[in-house]
Amino acid sequence: AQKVTQAQTEISVVEKEDVTLDCVYETRDTTYYLFWYKQPPSGELVFLIRRNSFDEQNEISGRYSWNFQKSTSSFNFTITASQVVDSAVYFCALSEAYNSNYQLIWGAGTKLIIKP
Amino acid sequence: DVKVTQSSRYLVKRTGEKVFLECVQDMDHENMFWYRQDPGLGLRLIYFSYDVKMKEKGDIPEGYSVSREKKERFSLILESASTNQTSMYLCASKMQGSGANVLTFGAGSRLTVL
Repeated sequence: AQKVTQAQTEISVVEKEDVTLDCVYETRDTTYYLFWYKQPPSGELVFLIRRNSFDEQNEISGRYSWNFQKSTSSFNFTITASQVVDSAVYFCALSEAYNSNYQLIWGAGTKLIIKP
Repeated sequence: DVKVTQSSRYLVKRTGEKVFLECVQDMDHENMFWYRQDPGLGLRLIYFSYDVKMKEKGDIPEGYSVSREKKERFSLILESASTNQTSMYLCASKMQGSGANVLTFGAGSRLTVL
């Protein structure tokens, strides 16, 4: 069955530390997409990244990087030199290409607290 | 700037009241969604609509209904609000046709039922 697990409910670090948010997924399909969204305290979820199942290249965007490993069914998210503005709830999600209407399967979210 | 707008950020209602949550998008998206967000449970899909007047139940449709009379507007209705419907409600939209398409979310409506 499809599933997304974010085992870390809450992480608290001091500013400038590096932090990694874990995401493990389960799917029967060979074609799928993985997403990360950020939900700041304002409430609106914001799209961060999308990865398709055929592209295992890691991605870096400024202080953000993503490590996609099909062998371990993981799509982990690392923030380097964290800042207070990174404080948010982060969601990992899975979309399967053959799922009717492409429903997203969501992880429970990880609340990240960056202390000044 | 493209947007999904939810009409109310905060609502307080009494048990048994009928509640309307409105969502409007200006991106001409075919698909629209209503999610419920509760701590530790992530986002749970209540209903979605893949086109005007079309709707499908999500994972937790009980106690809710929806209406999509126009492409840009998707309404969530609580026919008789109950305290266990106190939650954050999130509306989202996306283009149809691919699992790669990205959801655009509204800012959320926090509903408290007393």
